[in-house]
Amino acid sequence: DAKTTQPPSMDCAEGRAANLPCNHSTISGNEYVYWYRQIHSQGPQYIIHGLKNNETNEMASLIITEDRKSSTLILPHATLRDTAVYYCIVRASYGGSQGNLIFGKGTKLSVKP
Amino acid sequence: SAVISQKPSRDICQRGTSLTIQCQVDSQVTMMFWYRQQPGQSLTLIATANQGSEATYESGFVIDKFPISRPNLTFSTLTVSNMSPEDSSIYLCSVRGARGETQYFGPGTRLLVL
Repeated sequence: DAKTTQPPSMDCAEGRAANLPCNHSTISGNEYVYWYRQIHSQGPQYIIHGLKNNETNEMASLIITEDRKSSTLILPHATLRDTAVYYCIVRASYGGSQGNLIFGKGTKLSVKP
Repeated sequence: SAVISQKPSRDICQRGTSLTIQCQVDSQVTMMFWYRQQPGQSLTLIATANQGSEATYESGFVIDKFPISRPNLTFSTLTVSNMSPEDSSIYLCSVRGARGETQYFGPGTRLLVL
């Protein structure tokens, strides 16, 4: 079972920041937080991941709370092409079955003009 | 990042037949996986494809229904056997490199069983 809880849907105005929350209150010390998105009819696309510190790349920023029980994915300037289902996934750093990506239902983000 | 291709990209099949899906990666990878995404649902892990040995299947998936091969570090196949309409799904190949941090997904194979 997925170890994360996300709102089923969110709306965002084009050009504004999209803040997608994720709750992972049972996360273990060696587990990373990963974010993927799936644009309609395509394979999931990797966005970003983090362990403790906040992370930023060309696509997004990831803010992880100090207790690591929740995180927020931030798309700084959402465009219509960011409309997708966003998945927050907790995954162990080592191999074996604990390292597998297990998908929950995700958040369907709709960016509106 | 790894570039992953899948063949076929889509197919329409008759019930009772079998379809083999190919996954090719542009670089050697440590781990290869197969996922299924049923209509309107999230992704479900079918199995881990192991090089030179039998695949490791998740609960609810069996080798007789979904035989998997992985002859080398860049190629794997998934066969959907004795298909029924309930097998209509998108089947996705996924890979992870030696460092194990980031996992990438192929474009998927869209299967419709009539």
